[in-house]
Amino acid sequence: DAGVIQSPRHEVTEMGQEVTLRCKPISGHDYLFWYRQTMMRGLELLIYFNNNVPIDDSGMPEDRFSAKMPNASFSTLKIQPSEPRDSAVYFCASSGGTGKRGYTFGSGTRLTVV
Amino acid sequence: GENVEQHPSTLSVQEGDSAVIKCTYSDSASNYFPWYKQELGKRPQLIIDIRSNVGEKKDQRIAVTLNKTAKHFSLHITETQPEDSAVYFCAAADGLTFGKGTHLIIQP
Repeated sequence: DAGVIQSPRHEVTEMGQEVTLRCKPISGHDYLFWYRQTMMRGLELLIYFNNNVPIDDSGMPEDRFSAKMPNASFSTLKIQPSEPRDSAVYFCASSGGTGKRGYTFGSGTRLTVV
Repeated sequence: GENVEQHPSTLSVQEGDSAVIKCTYSDSASNYFPWYKQELGKRPQLIIDIRSNVGEKKDQRIAVTLNKTAKHFSLHITETQPEDSAVYFCAAADGLTFGKGTHLIIQP
């Protein structure tokens, strides 16, 4: 199993540009999570899906952030327009079964907005 | 929502000694508590977890204890080794909410 696959690994963009982060969960996992990690705020849950349906998006910071999961093998997190304070490492994770199991994290996308 | 407090933020121990990291949570409905290890520049990886119907769980040199009444749980690492140096995160709210992390430093 290739694990959770995220792309790109690194993204540098200018303020105001649209950014799209991508995630492929582990096959058969029915939960998918997006987290943001910064030194100041640690690991923050942004949104999570169960069977492709968004369950809780209360962590999405503002309307500039959106996430989709069009099918069981793909999810995107979009930021439009991006701002310097969005700079962080964005992790995608997936989990199987009831969801009350440890997550498998992807390698993360390091986003820098200049 | 759930609030998870983790202490200490930094812990330095001599190689071979034990390390203990503690977390408290606020939501009494939480019943799943994982711990993750994150090495510098890498992804968090699950190292051990515990469910609310169990008070303690061990896996070789690591163990986790849970006190549901007091709403706290702890990670114990015995016979620490240099490769144990990393940031450790606890999580509650069925694994959704993470603590701020503990930077564990193993001194040779």
